[in-house]
Amino acid sequence: NAGVTQTPKFQVLKTGQSMTLQCAQDMNHNSMYWYRQDPGMGLRLIYYSASEGTTDKGEVPNGYNVSRLNKREFSLRLESAAPSQTSVYFCASSKPRDSDYTFGSGTRLTVV
Amino acid sequence: AQSVTQLGSHVSVSEGALVLLRCNYSSSVPPYLFWYVQYPNQGLQLLLKYTSAATLVKGINGFEAEFKKSETSFHLTKPSAHMSDAAEYFCAVPSNRLAFGKGNQVVVIP
Repeated sequence: NAGVTQTPKFQVLKTGQSMTLQCAQDMNHNSMYWYRQDPGMGLRLIYYSASEGTTDKGEVPNGYNVSRLNKREFSLRLESAAPSQTSVYFCASSKPRDSDYTFGSGTRLTVV
Repeated sequence: AQSVTQLGSHVSVSEGALVLLRCNYSSSVPPYLFWYVQYPNQGLQLLLKYTSAATLVKGINGFEAEFKKSETSFHLTKPSAHMSDAAEYFCAVPSNRLAFGKGNQVVVIP
């Protein structure tokens, strides 16, 4: 089925550990995004990629890095996880001119 | 940059009563406005989308929203709440990326 696939769905990390969240879309969308969702805060943009080969910081980029590996894949890396990064992470992709966005099912990350 | 404001983080509504969730956008008329719903422990699902083709937009599950330029609003309504409407609802506007409101947690009281 066409859509956005995120892996893993759940993860528990110890403070200081690193990990990469994977995201892939098969809809030939140019733009991809990483959001985090925290209670009462809505979804906040971490990084986005308007097209293959470009990435830009969003509202809350500190502590994260991204890689737009190709048109399909956009990964999010936590180099040294902190408890403040406990959150639900969503990847999304969009059609040109922002008319349609598709979201992955999310990754629930807990940092202890 | 465009943004949206949702007031009242928690909204309680009796089963069968009107559901009204408010959303106001920040500045110039946006080309699109979205309402998403998130059921517990699930991802985001598109409820409806404004595209300027019509000011009254009908979505899934009996929800609709009306775009009012004079009020810079895009409020979401459902005439009669059902227990299954208990969820979190987000208004969003494209602004180089999708900018979300803080969300409304809807509780339906039997």
